[in-house]
Amino acid sequence: DIQMTQSPSLLSASVGDRVTLSCKASQSIYNSLAWYQQKLGEAPKLLIYDANSLQTGIPSRFSGSGSGTDYTLTISSLQPEDVATYFCQKYYSGYTFGAGTKLELK
Amino acid sequence: EVQLQESGPGLVKPSQSLSLTCSVTGYSITSNYWGWIRKFPGNKMEWMGYISYSGSTSYNPSLKSRISITRDTSKNQFFLQLNSVTTEDTATYYCARGYTTDYYYADYFDYWGQGVMVTVSS
Repeated sequence: DIQMTQSPSLLSASVGDRVTLSCKASQSIYNSLAWYQQKLGEAPKLLIYDANSLQTGIPSRFSGSGSGTDYTLTISSLQPEDVATYFCQKYYSGYTFGAGTKLELK
Repeated sequence: EVQLQESGPGLVKPSQSLSLTCSVTGYSITSNYWGWIRKFPGNKMEWMGYISYSGSTSYNPSLKSRISITRDTSKNQFFLQLNSVTTEDTATYYCARGYTTDYYYADYFDYWGQGVMVTVSS
């Protein structure tokens, strides 16, 4: 089974910061990766699919990159409403989620 | 707009069956894939399975002996049944649309319900 490892598990940042979240697969997943944002008490929201495609309606400060086993979600300028937990999910050879990165304001 | 809403009991006794309904509006379940995903206390998320536009199903191997996903296209609903539950099945259960580009399998999940918290306890 392909494992997904997210880091860090907790990230504190200030408004306006550039924030980078990591997701690593135990073997290549060929860009079959999605990123979700989940705010407390809400449903997960799809941000990025196919590793780097921005879902319709998502602010352009969110971007995804990477290939092979290593992927990154970047928030170019952190906003207060971005406080949430972020999950990655692979859809190559089954479906597995990462453990999440909780993003909080410093 | 595609909307999904889970419903079902919030408390299930150990060894019994967990049954949930997902009601979909704004889109027909005879297109794309329709899945169940759960989030455990502590944040771990697990894909449980899905039912396709044609009615075929795919399940997480770890649940295969206990899970069944069915649908009622006339009501635009799909259902989860999980048998022989234990306290380890305590989680928030989400239904979601699995988007597909090739209709061989689902890719990512682009619309989600709000989730229903299910506790397994005697």
